[in-house]
Amino acid sequence: GAGVSQSPSNKVTEKGKDVELRCDPISGHTALYWYRQSLGQGLEFLIYFQGNSAPDKSGLPSDRFSAERTGGSVSTLTIQRTQQEDSAVYLCASSLQAAYNEQFFGPGTRLTVL
Amino acid sequence: AQSVTQLGSHVSVSEGALVLLRCNYSSSVPPYLFWYVQYPNQGLQLLLKYTTGATLVKGINGFEAGFKKSETSFHLTKPSAHMSDAAEYFCAVSEDSSASKIIFGSGTRLSIRP
Repeated sequence: GAGVSQSPSNKVTEKGKDVELRCDPISGHTALYWYRQSLGQGLEFLIYFQGNSAPDKSGLPSDRFSAERTGGSVSTLTIQRTQQEDSAVYLCASSLQAAYNEQFFGPGTRLTVL
Repeated sequence: AQSVTQLGSHVSVSEGALVLLRCNYSSSVPPYLFWYVQYPNQGLQLLLKYTTGATLVKGINGFEAGFKKSETSFHLTKPSAHMSDAAEYFCAVSEDSSASKIIFGSGTRLSIRP
């Protein structure tokens, strides 16, 4: 069955450029999460969407980061004016509504900012 | 707000030895607790979870974890390590709410010595 998919799998960009990362969650999953995993670091929570509620943006590191989720399905994470410290693997996960449900992770997008 | 602390960013054990990965959490309400595993070059997958009921939870690949409310701990154990257990392990916590996000610890890299 279809899992969580992310695109692109790899993205190399120049400092100062904007990038968009896409996440397609599992159909029917109402919760969607974005995390950042830097080399040798854990998972840093970025943003959380739950159904039609306002997203929890408390993990976004700066106002250069934003995300949206259209139609309760696909999500796009946008990073404006990228910096070298933005280089990381960006992971998306989705789950059924309740907090105790398993999160299913996508393969991630490896972002490299030169 | 909930938080997770994983003691030891790197643990090394001999093949056949006991595996113990430590996790302490902070939560103002009864928590949901998770262990996720990330094998090399693979995505994260759920190892086990605690929601309610029995405090000893069994997961895949012979792992288990014990919820101790008095110690706010959820340590992961396996009686006998196998070479294939080498991976990154993440503890995570969520509150008992459908609107609650899941917070991950910084991870523990487990190495197995032949």
